[in-house]
Amino acid sequence: NAGVTQTPKFQVLKTGQSMTLQCAQDMNHEYMSWYRQDPGMGLRLIHYSVGAGITDQGEVPNGYNVSRSTTEDFPLRLLSAAPSQTSVYFCASSPWLERFAKNIQYFGAGTRLSVL
Amino acid sequence: QQPVQSPQAVILREGEDAVINCSSSKALYSVHWYRQKHGEAPVFLMILLKGGEQKGHEKISASFNEKKQQSSLYLTASQLSYSGTYFCGTRGTGNQFYFGTGTSLTVIP
Repeated sequence: NAGVTQTPKFQVLKTGQSMTLQCAQDMNHEYMSWYRQDPGMGLRLIHYSVGAGITDQGEVPNGYNVSRSTTEDFPLRLLSAAPSQTSVYFCASSPWLERFAKNIQYFGAGTRLSVL
Repeated sequence: QQPVQSPQAVILREGEDAVINCSSSKALYSVHWYRQKHGEAPVFLMILLKGGEQKGHEKISASFNEKKQQSSLYLTASQLSYSGTYFCGTRGTGNQFYFGTGTSLTVIP
């Protein structure tokens, strides 16, 4: 059971380049989300999805796009990378329980992104 | 809506105790606690659903006070393996799930 798989693990971009961070889960979880982690700022929510075809913004959505065409996949797109997007990105998934408050988040291993 | 944690960092010797606090400006329906080892992904520790409820995981326990919109994580007789960054997490007003600012815990021999 692979859980949540993120690719790539590392990436270096030049300012203005675009790329897609991949996230896939094999646990049939309805809820998926993207976070970025920066020193001293914890984990900040970028975008999330409650199911295929449904996405919404989190705290820091600017500069990022997402789509959810299948339950398994939730890619994060950087349209025009900026140095401020240098960070570690984590994808997480969670089952959609009747009481959302009980949803445990399962994380991928992360993608370390540097934008020069 | 990101919860605020304190302290930001703490250094302990093996066997010492520590308390990590998590507070929110919004009403808390539940509080999760996660631990992240250096270079790894966060891993779930425990969840608290009711006011004043305490949960335990090894020698780590937590409390949750709905009225004060706060939760505390208690680490007793700390071990080297407890080192890492601890995050609280909670649901936002919609379907968002927010994590706190994090507390770095270092246990030294």
